[in-house]
Amino acid sequence: EPEVTQTPSHQVTQMGQEVILRCVPISNHLYFYWYRQILGQKVEFLVSFYNNEISEKSEIFDDQFSVERPDGSNFTLKIRSTKLEDSAMYFCASSIRVANSPLHFGNGTRLTVT
Amino acid sequence: DQQVKQNSPSLSVQEGRISILNCDYTNSMFDYFLWYKKYPAEGPTFLISISSIKDKNEDGRFTVFLNKSAKHLSLHIVPSQPGDSAVYFCVPAGGTSYGKLTFGQGTILTVHP
Repeated sequence: EPEVTQTPSHQVTQMGQEVILRCVPISNHLYFYWYRQILGQKVEFLVSFYNNEISEKSEIFDDQFSVERPDGSNFTLKIRSTKLEDSAMYFCASSIRVANSPLHFGNGTRLTVT
Repeated sequence: DQQVKQNSPSLSVQEGRISILNCDYTNSMFDYFLWYKKYPAEGPTFLISISSIKDKNEDGRFTVFLNKSAKHLSLHIVPSQPGDSAVYFCVPAGGTSYGKLTFGQGTILTVHP
């Protein structure tokens, strides 16, 4: 069964550094998402992306964050200048349609900012 | 703003028996409901969904029931297996956004051999 793949599985970075988290969504899916889960907290929405544009973003998704689909298969989340509070599991997801279509999640990248 | 509530934080069931997980929602704009299961340090795994035009959807051991008038859903797992032990999330969608899912605290299901 096709799945969403994320790399790396674990990323350690120093505060103030830039990180790029990578995702390969399911190949025929058109809608892409990033979510995150801080340890002990709920899974929370960051951003949705369709047709090379951000469709919706949460308050968390400030100017430090950006997303890109650099080619036909990858979907990336960039954090420009990481903070300690960015430490979390970051999940990429994709869906075939926007409505009445389940999101399929990857297994996440654990980001640790020291 | 708790638009979805899973009132049981945990549920313990014997292997082979039925597991019933319940969920209540408040926003009548929701018209699509998903159930996810999640293991620690892994992504949510989609289990089953139901559209508001239906009151039941079945997929193998998993059945979801929707009572729109009561704004209530339940997920039935029969028979329960130890591998089903995980956190289960009832996730409603619809209204102005389908992709912006809101995950609550979930219900921790433990299936004992």
